Amino acid sequence: DAGITQSPRHKVTETGTPVTLRCHQTENHRYMYWYRQDPGHGLRLIHYSYGVKDTDKGEVSDGYSVSRSKTEDFLLTLESATSSQTSVYFCAISARGYEQYFGPGTRLTVT
Amino acid sequence: AQSVTQLDSQVPVFEEAPVELRCNYSSSVSVYLFWYVQYPNQGLQLLLKYLSGSTLVKGINGFEAEFNKSQTSFHLRKPSVHISDTAEYFCAVSANSGGSNYKLTFGKGTLLTVNP
Repeated sequence: DAGITQSPRHKVTETGTPVTLRCHQTENHRYMYWYRQDPGHGLRLIHYSYGVKDTDKGEVSDGYSVSRSKTEDFLLTLESATSSQTSVYFCAISARGYEQYFGPGTRLTVT
Repeated sequence: AQSVTQLDSQVPVFEEAPVELRCNYSSSVSVYLFWYVQYPNQGLQLLLKYLSGSTLVKGINGFEAEFNKSQTSFHLRKPSVHISDTAEYFCAVSANSGGSNYKLTFGKGTLLTVNP
């Protein structure tokens, strides 16, 4: 299995609070991604990174920001959580971009 | 841009029966294709991939898929399923050219349920 961890694995937070999810890899892969998974929608890309300090938006980036200060860490921040951001969040990594390997996921509930 | 359509949202089958999960894609350029499997409360695991070469690709757990360029399809098959194959299966596509081959576009998934 690819060396990817996500923390926390579960989180319950209140509307309006900031939340940061962490993705950590031990593979030294160039590309890292954040997806959200919701019933009926499959996986949707939030943001991705193609190198340290190099990030770009995905298809559902509104309300989310990311940072990557080290190759191994990719942080996803919800500046002010809303109930519509209740979801399961997956991090993925890739050496070449298209062949991606996924972490175990973080289940986020915003009350 | 690429898109993926998984034609069946749910597929129930009996144990030891064959199964086919259908995937069609749309792209104006050549593509890489993938199938992922997700067991309950877990992340996605790469099942198999088509990058180039033989159009019949074999993956883990006895699954295989065939790339059909003329029909823009990449259907997943297994000749005899087990209870443990119960999971959600996702088809994904990436462009094989230009500046967008670092993104995957996923289908909405097919829930395979294997009944005894």
